[in-house]
Order: sequence, then structure tokens, then C-alpha cells
Amino acid sequence: TAGITQAPTSQILAAGRSMTLRCTQDMRHNAMYWYRQDLGLGLRLIHYSNTAGTTGKGEVPDGYSVSRANTDDFPLTLASAVPSQTSVYFCASSERQRFSYNEQFFGPGTRLTVL
Amino acid sequence: QQQVKQSPQSLIVQKGGISIINCAYENTAFDYFPWYQQFPGKGPALLIAIRPDVSEKKEGRFTISFNKSAKQFSLHIMDSQPGDSATYFCAASEYNFNKFYFGSGTKLNVKP
Repeated sequence: TAGITQAPTSQILAAGRSMTLRCTQDMRHNAMYWYRQDLGLGLRLIHYSNTAGTTGKGEVPDGYSVSRANTDDFPLTLASAVPSQTSVYFCASSERQRFSYNEQFFGPGTRLTVL
Repeated sequence: QQQVKQSPQSLIVQKGGISIINCAYENTAFDYFPWYQQFPGKGPALLIAIRPDVSEKKEGRFTISFNKSAKQFSLHIMDSQPGDSATYFCAASEYNFNKFYFGSGTKLNVKP
């Protein structure tokens, strides 16, 4: 079982350029998330989606946008990259159920460097 | 401001020793506290989790201790092994919500 796949694995991007990080899950989870991981700051939630067609803002949403057209895919777009967006980006998913605690499953990450 | 504060930032333990990582939170609405383990080049994976209706949860060599009044919880790794060397993150969430707030991480190095 693949679980969650992310692409690309790594990328160097010029400041001002746009980029879309891709995330696909095959577990049919209804909830998906994007985090960025920075040394000393842990994982911070960028955007999330509780179900296809809905999205919400996390702790650090500025400069990022997401869409959730279907259950499996949750792309993250940087419209105009800045060096402070240099980070490792993780996509995650969970089976969101009412009155339950739901484990989040993480992808392998995308290492993005903005120069 | 971080919702969950984690310490230490790094930890070196001899094989067979006990590793202890601590976390503290302020939001009393949090009621789910998972710990995630991350190996280099990999995404985090759930290790163990606790709810505040119990003060301790044990799974094998891993134990979570929870102090609701102090708003603190900790991970204890007994008989630490070199294979436990990884980065550990504590997290907190409100019941029925999907927003997880992670600590800053602890890099554990278990020396043979």
C-alpha cells in the first residue's frame, strides 16, 4: 500500500516563481493536511481539508493556497515564492470521524529551497 | 506563540538507559496528546497517544505520563536502543477537531 505520496521529493525554486507541491493518498481518508517543518519550530499546520470541496486555514497560511477537488488529491500552491518558504513540507491524512481521535498519516515530505 | 512547548531540544542517552522528553501546554481544551517518531528523511509516524482521563499509558518500552493539573506530559523510553535514535514530537489536539499543534521536537541519539 502506497499510503501518501508527495512530489517532487526536492526542489530548488527562484524567488518570485510559483510552484505546486503534489499530494495523493490512497487510503480514502476524508481529511488531509499540509505542514511545514522547520528546525526548532516543529511542524506547523498550513492548511487543512476536512472533506473534498472544503478547506481551512492553519497556523501559517499566508503565501500558500490549497484546493481539494476530490478525496485523494490535495495540492499546495506557492503563488510567488519567498526565501522564508524554504522548508520541508509534509502532507498528511486522517479518517476524520465524529467523537473520535484520529491518527494522522504522513507522507515522505518535499524539501523546498527558495533562493 | 507555540501552543505546545517541548524540551529538551536534543538528548543523548546510553544504550539501556531511560530517555525522557517533556511537553507542556496551556490550552485546557486540549484532550488528545499523541507522540510522533520521525526518522531522517521520513515523515512522522504515530508512536503512542494518551487522553487526559488516564495518568499513564504504556506500550512496550514507551510510556506516556500525563499530569492534567500541571498541564504537562512526558514520554519515557525504557531500555533505550540505538534503533530508537530519531526525532520525537509531542502534539495536542481538541476532541473532534483535526488541528494538531506540535512541539518543536527532540532529537534523540542513543549511543551503543
